[in-house]
Amino acid sequence: GIQVEQSPPDLILQEGANSTLRCNFSDSVNNLQWFHQNPWGQLINLFYIPSGTKQNGRLSATTVATERYSLLYISSSQTTDSGVYFCAVGGGATNKLIFGTGTLLAVQP
Amino acid sequence: KAGVTQTPRYLIKTRGQQVTLSCSPISGHRSVSWYQQTPGQGLQFLFEYFSETQRNKGNFPGRFSGRQFSNSRSEMNVSTLELGDSALYLCASSLAYEQVGGYTFGSGTRLTVV
Repeated sequence: GIQVEQSPPDLILQEGANSTLRCNFSDSVNNLQWFHQNPWGQLINLFYIPSGTKQNGRLSATTVATERYSLLYISSSQTTDSGVYFCAVGGGATNKLIFGTGTLLAVQP
Repeated sequence: KAGVTQTPRYLIKTRGQQVTLSCSPISGHRSVSWYQQTPGQGLQFLFEYFSETQRNKGNFPGRFSGRQFSNSRSEMNVSTLELGDSALYLCASSLAYEQVGGYTFGSGTRLTVV
């Protein structure tokens, strides 16, 4: 099955700093999503981005499907950005999402 | 519009009991998937339902089952609970089986088995 790797596993930032999170996947996909898991456990959908570039406020994402990676950019980070960021992909014969192991982000004031 | 609603939010059960979790998808969404999240195994796919039919199933024992109703609401059931079933159970809905537009997740049900 498809393998999903996220890096870095942990990241500590000072408020106001920028960061880039990476997601590599091992096969072609027809779905790629970035999620932020809040402290209560809910997965908040940040981007649905199987290819191309999208921006939403301080967040943006780029997926290069031909090279099998996606990047999530967080600019001017805030303490509320803290939490775990997951990349999840879907494709092939099944419809399920395969999640990476996540990046734990801590933004310090 | 309302999001994905999962009930209950928290549950404490005893080993050997059974439990039923409920998920109401976003209005108009016909595909519902269930995932289990544990610290050791991360997020793992349980099963997916579309139009009341189970379309995919993950690698979980037969104690885990589910169903979908005609209004797209879904339930999952775990019988003969084990300590290892303690986890956050997340439900996701999507518009159609083809994943166009991606999945939206609910707030989850946190199950503790004692």
